[in-house]
Formats: sequence, structure tokens, C-alpha cells
Amino acid sequence: NAGVTQTPKFRVLKTGQSMTLLCAQDMNHEYMYWYRQDPGMGLRLIHYSVGEGTTAKGEVPDGYNVSRLKKQNFLLGLESAAPSQTSVYFCASSPSGGSGSETQYFGPGTRLLVL
Amino acid sequence: GQNIDQPTEMTATEGAIVQINCTYQTSGFNGLFWYQQHAGEAPTFLSYNVLDGLEEKGRFSSFLSRSKGYSYLLLKELQMKDSASYLCAVRDSNYQLIWGAGTKLIIKP
Repeated sequence: NAGVTQTPKFRVLKTGQSMTLLCAQDMNHEYMYWYRQDPGMGLRLIHYSVGEGTTAKGEVPDGYNVSRLKKQNFLLGLESAAPSQTSVYFCASSPSGGSGSETQYFGPGTRLLVL
Repeated sequence: GQNIDQPTEMTATEGAIVQINCTYQTSGFNGLFWYQQHAGEAPTFLSYNVLDGLEEKGRFSSFLSRSKGYSYLLLKELQMKDSASYLCAVRDSNYQLIWGAGTKLIIKP
């Protein structure tokens, strides 16, 4: 039971390049999330999904796209990377939308540097 | 707007007790979470409060006052491995988690 995994762990991009971050979970969770974490700031929600085939915008969606073609996978795409997207990206999942003490389970993170 | 405030950094001594405060102003309230995050790692769940009062879990306790928009995480018998960042998060009326910037806790021998 691997939990939540993310690929790659680290990447360096040049401005304007594109890339896709992959998140996979083996807990059969319905909800999946993409966050970014920057120094001095809390985790900020980029996009999330409430189930296979659905996606929704979070707090900071501009410059990112997502897809959830399979329940276990949630992809985050950067079409044209900018230095402002240098960050640590975390994927998380939860069984449902967060009732009671239900928590989110996080992947190990992807460190992205855009030059 | 929504806002969660925590101290940026705290220092404590091994074996001592430390209290990390969190104040919040959010659109609705559906629970407050504390997560631990070691440097370079993912956040992991520590505690959850939805009703006023103290929740105790081993060396860690978390307190909530909804009327004051206030919570604290209490860590007892500090160990070196407790050196980490502690994140406060509130679930708002849309059931989204709103996160504080985290408190970096440094434990000294």
C-alpha cells in the first residue's frame, strides 16, 4: 500500500517549457487535490477533483490544467512554465469531501524550479 | 478574506512543553486540523477539533475556542524528532482546507 505517490520528485524547467506532474493513489479515494507550497505562505489549492472525470478550480488555478481520467490518477499540467511557478507541489487525496475528522493524505511532493 | 495566523518560528528545549497558537478568520467553520511537516517531507495529520475544548492524543493535545477563532497545539515532553513545522488548517463552509503558513519549531538539547 504505497498511499499517495508523485512523479517526478524534482524538475528544472526553462521559462516557456511544459510539463506534467503525475499523482497516483491506491486508497480508492474519491477526492484528489493539487497544492503548491511557497516559503512564508500556507498551502494553496490549485485544482481539485471530486471524482473520476471531474475537476474544479481552487484558489490559484491560473497557468495550470488538470485531468482525472482514472480514479487513481490526477495529473497537473503546466503549459508554459513561468518563474513564478517555482514551488513545491503536493498532491493529496481524501475518501470524500471532508466530513468529520476525515483528513487528507499527502504525497511526498515535487520540487519544481523554473529558470 | 480568509486568514489563518500562526507564529513563524518557536524554539523550545528538549523535555519541555511548548504551545503553538493559531487564530483564524474564515468563511464558515467545519473543523480545525493540525498537521506536522518535517523539512522536505509531506504534511501528516496530527489532530482534529470541531467542538470547543481539548483533545488529547499522547504527548500532543489540541484546543479549540470557536467563539474566539483560536486554537493551540500543545506538545509535552519534547523530543528532538519533534523539530518540524506545524500547520494549522481550517475547513471552511465550502469544505475546503484553508492553511496557515506554519510554525517552525526548533528543539534544542
